[in-house]
Order: sequence, then C-alpha cells, then structure tokens
Amino acid sequence: DAKTTQPPSMDCAEGRAANLPCNHSTISGNEYVYWYRQIHSQGPQYIIHGLKNNETNEMASLIITEDRKSSTLILPHATLRDTAVYYCIVRVASGSARQLTFGSGTQLTVLP
Amino acid sequence: SAVISQKPSRDICQRGTSLTIQCQVDSQVTMMFWYRQQPGQSLTLIATANQGSEATYESGFVIDKFPISRPNLTFSTLTVSNMSPEDSSIYLCSVVQNGDYEQYFGPGTRLTVT
Repeated sequence: DAKTTQPPSMDCAEGRAANLPCNHSTISGNEYVYWYRQIHSQGPQYIIHGLKNNETNEMASLIITEDRKSSTLILPHATLRDTAVYYCIVRVASGSARQLTFGSGTQLTVLP
Repeated sequence: SAVISQKPSRDICQRGTSLTIQCQVDSQVTMMFWYRQQPGQSLTLIATANQGSEATYESGFVIDKFPISRPNLTFSTLTVSNMSPEDSSIYLCSVVQNGDYEQYFGPGTRLTVT
C-alpha cells in the first residue's frame, strides 16, 4: 500500500471548519483513500473513503486532487468531540491485501 | 455495520504469564485482523486470522508468541504468550464484511504487564 504523509498535529476553533491534509504521491490507480479517526482510548472509527471523486457524508467531506497525489478531509463545523487522531490511509479495496496499514496520523485538537 | 466486542476490556498481568483475548462479532465476516497499539504509537497489524487455518503473521510477529484461533466466521482469539512489560499495549480486533469497503474495529483490550 502507498505511504501517506500527514502533519503530526493541528488545532481548530470550535465551530470552524477543520481541514486535514494528506499527501500520497505514490498512490496506485486501484488504491482508495480512506480516513479513520481514533478518539482517545477507543478503537478507530471509519469516516469516509474515495477513489478520485470528491465525497461527502454526514461526518465529513473528502477532497481528492485531480492527480490523486493528495487529499483533504474537511470537518465542516468542528466540535470538541472531534478531538482525535485522524489517519489517512490508502489501500486497495478488494483482494487479499485489504487490511489497513496505519501511519502516525494527525492529532486534531478542537479548541473552545 | 458490524458490532465487535472484546474480552477482557483490560487486564494487568505478571511477567511470564499468558493472556487470551476474545473477539466476538455480531455477524459473519470475511476477514478478521489483530492489531497492537503500543503506548503513544499508531496501530500495527499483528496478523490476519484465517477461518479454519493458520493465521498469516506480519513481519516481526510469530505464532509462538501470538497464537491466534478463528474457529468460525464470528469469533477469534489472540493469545499473548510469555508476557514481558514490552507487551503492554492495546490489542484491537478488526473485521471486514463481505462486499464492504469499511473495516470495523473493536473497543480494544488494554494490557499492562508488570
């Protein structure tokens, strides 16, 4: 699976949009971009994933650049409960190599 | 979505002993994994639990230290053998359902070895 690069930490004011960047310059054509988050002392939680089009769900939006070498996760109105470590992961969506490989992630702190 | 439970949720064990962690899923799943998260670190994949056959271990992890069973499509166990303080970690079970893009995680088992 392609390796990702994320900033180690970011702060965001409560109620503002949180924009979390991720670089994945070696991504392959059949690899998806996944975002997970891990709130302290809990198991990771799925947020969103995409291949090449922008995606939106009830939790977040995912913006993938046209060359697919980077992406941004957007939490439109961050709350204190969004404080967590956010992991950007790329992987193939099917086949035997479907396990997630975690990098170091970004610690997002939402400030009151 | 799959609901995953793990037992125990936490334990404190003595050096040299073994602990078996159970993972139960509320529905049949195609793939089950075990991860380790050492203090302040990210998650590391230990192995893929294969139903009816030996688990597939990642580099740095061996069956003698981390024996895994998966007797059916909803249950798996991970044993941490001959424990040392370096084994103090959170151990997480994770699953993928057939045809699903998401990978779900259990709440984890927090192990402290003294």
